[in-house]
Amino acid sequence: TQLLEQSPQFLSIQEGENLTVYCNSSSVFSSLQWYRQEPGEGPVLLVTVVTGGEVKKLKRLTFQFGDARKDSSLHITAAQPGDTGLYLCAGAQGGSEKLVFGKGTKLTVNP
Amino acid sequence: GAGVSQSPSNKVTEKGKDVELRCDPISGHTALYWYRQSLGQGLEFLIYFQGNSAPDKSGLPSDRFSAERTGGSVSTLTIQRTQQEDSAVYLCASGLWGRGHAGANVLTFGAGSRLTVL
Repeated sequence: TQLLEQSPQFLSIQEGENLTVYCNSSSVFSSLQWYRQEPGEGPVLLVTVVTGGEVKKLKRLTFQFGDARKDSSLHITAAQPGDTGLYLCAGAQGGSEKLVFGKGTKLTVNP
Repeated sequence: GAGVSQSPSNKVTEKGKDVELRCDPISGHTALYWYRQSLGQGLEFLIYFQGNSAPDKSGLPSDRFSAERTGGSVSTLTIQRTQQEDSAVYLCASGLWGRGHAGANVLTFGAGSRLTVL
């Protein structure tokens, strides 16, 4: 059983389009993070959200943490080829420092 | 060093052999994690070290897998009697709990060690 479900699994779009990817769970998380991974490299942290309902913006990326702290979304505006990569969400529960990851969304932005 | 260093970057071994994978975390980071990533998949948690506390080994898939962290710094992941299903990229990450992000651990990952078992 996957604790964090990410959707869609694959997404291929044209440059300039908008997109949203989702990270859902039936469990509550004390914090949730989004990472981006390129081939041959380790994941790189994009953002951490800790408060239910929190919205964070990072240039063209908007991250939202659900009110109940069970889900999160990542919205990209006007996608660019440089946004191509594997987007992973990761969460920690309660006082635990164990970080669990979803399976990721593989995004391809075509020029 | 400035980042997390993992070695070897690539390892090809024969089924039944033992392998050791090394991780040099960022100096001063108290937390160290090992994850496994199969081709194109997400990260599977293996083990977590935090300071001098007992490690969380709940993700180790079998007793063929073990890890140690010496002196609170370098960590070694050992896989005994390797099997073909052990083939994957093994990622190490280090971090400081709560640094810059209240209530969360900020992790820096290495580039991984790609293991291929023939």
